[in-house]
Amino acid sequence: GAVVSQHPSWVICKSGTSVKIECRSLDFQATTMFWYRQFPKQSLMLMATSNEGSKATYEQGVEKDKFLINHASLTLSTLTVTSAHPEDSSFYICSARPLVTGGLGELFFGEGSRLTVL
Amino acid sequence: AQSVTQLGSHVSVSEGALVLLRCNYSSSVPPYLFWYVQYPNQGLQLLLKYTSAATLVKGINGFEAEFKKSETSFHLTKPSAHMSDAAEYFCAVSLSGGSNYKLTFGKGTLLTVNP
Repeated sequence: GAVVSQHPSWVICKSGTSVKIECRSLDFQATTMFWYRQFPKQSLMLMATSNEGSKATYEQGVEKDKFLINHASLTLSTLTVTSAHPEDSSFYICSARPLVTGGLGELFFGEGSRLTVL
Repeated sequence: AQSVTQLGSHVSVSEGALVLLRCNYSSSVPPYLFWYVQYPNQGLQLLLKYTSAATLVKGINGFEAEFKKSETSFHLTKPSAHMSDAAEYFCAVSLSGGSNYKLTFGKGTLLTVNP
């Protein structure tokens, strides 16, 4: 099956530093990748939609300058949390839509990245 | 616009009992519907999906769901719960034909299985 890998799985950083999270589709090409944020015991909140070679589309209320998204290739998207603060601590999950889906709308999810900002 | 409502944030069953997790959706166009499972500190794994073919959808691990348009429901069931089924379950809807297939998730239902 289609595999999406996120790295790192866990990251702890100091307040004020920047952290980069990678999302890779390992065995398929993804035109579109999505970034979600999940708070404890809550659902996934879509942060942004990332299309290869173009600027990401952010959901309302998500700071573009704080959460930088780059989708440089059909297999890699990165989320950079800039000047991280403790309130940015969360579980970040990416998903990828295969280039060829047959119109099924199925997404494949990464394992998630737990960010803790001290 | 599309939305998903999962009735019951927490469902507890005994091992071997029927599992029923409820999901109702709202969509202005025929939807695609999904159930995902999430184990602690992990991403989401697709259980099953409805994409306008058969209304009764069979998924992995013995789960199935039935699409009922008249009730705008897509409830998830499993005849006999196993301890390994304990996890968080999310129902999601996507608009068919949408260019980005953006998923809207329900708030999730935590399933606990008692021995």
